[in-house]
Amino acid sequence: DVKVTQSSRYLVKRTGEKVFLECVQDMDHENMFWYRQDPGLGLRLIYFSYDVKMKEKGDIPEGYSVSREKKERFSLILESASTNQTSMYLCASSYTTEFYEQYFGPGTRLTVT
Amino acid sequence: AQSVTQLGSHVSVSEGALVLLRCNYSSSVPPYLFWYVQYPNQGLQLLLKYTSAATLVKGINGFEAEFKKSETSFHLTKPSAHMSDAAEYFCAVVSGGYNKLIFGAGTRLAVHP
Repeated sequence: DVKVTQSSRYLVKRTGEKVFLECVQDMDHENMFWYRQDPGLGLRLIYFSYDVKMKEKGDIPEGYSVSREKKERFSLILESASTNQTSMYLCASSYTTEFYEQYFGPGTRLTVT
Repeated sequence: AQSVTQLGSHVSVSEGALVLLRCNYSSSVPPYLFWYVQYPNQGLQLLLKYTSAATLVKGINGFEAEFKKSETSFHLTKPSAHMSDAAEYFCAVVSGGYNKLIFGAGTRLAVHP
C-alpha cells in the first residue's frame, strides 16, 4: 500500500512563529503536492514539486515556501505564521505518468493564535 | 483553463436511498476526472477515475460515475446509501502537467436512518 505520512496531525503555533510541516511518501513518486483545505473552498494548491530540488508555485503560494532535498520528503514552511494560515494542510504524491492519481496523507490541522 | 463545479455543498439522503452527487467540469482538452472521498479527520481517498477508457466508471464501495461529454458532467451515484457513506466528496480534474488537480468545493453527504 502507498503510504503518505505527515509529521503532525494537530499543531498550534503563535503568530510570527516559523512553522515546518513535513511529508514523507514511500512509493518513489516523482511528484509531491501541498494543499490547504478550507470549508467551502475545497483544496487549493500551494506548491508542488516534480523532482528533487525542483518546485513550482501553485494557486496560493503567498506566505509559504517549500523544500525538497530528498525524493521521498517534501516540506512546507510558513516563514512567519499568521492567523489567516489557520487551516487543514494536506500533502499528496503521484507518479508523473499521465492521469495517475494522487495519494494523500492524513492532514495536519494547524491553528495559529 | 480547467475548472470543476460541484452543485450542492450539502446533500442528505435516507439509508437505502439513491445517492447522486453532481459534478460539472470545464476543460479545453479531453479531461481526466477523479472523485475522492474524505472521511472525518482523514485525508482524501480515491473513489474512481475517468481516463477515457469507458464512460461508465465503477469505483470502490459501490460508487460509480458516468462521463457525459455533451453535458460536461461526471456525476457520482450509488444505488443504496449506507450510514458509512457519510463523508465529504470531492470532484477533481487534471490541469496542466505533472498531474496537478483542480478540485471542486466539495459536497458533504449526510445519511440518516
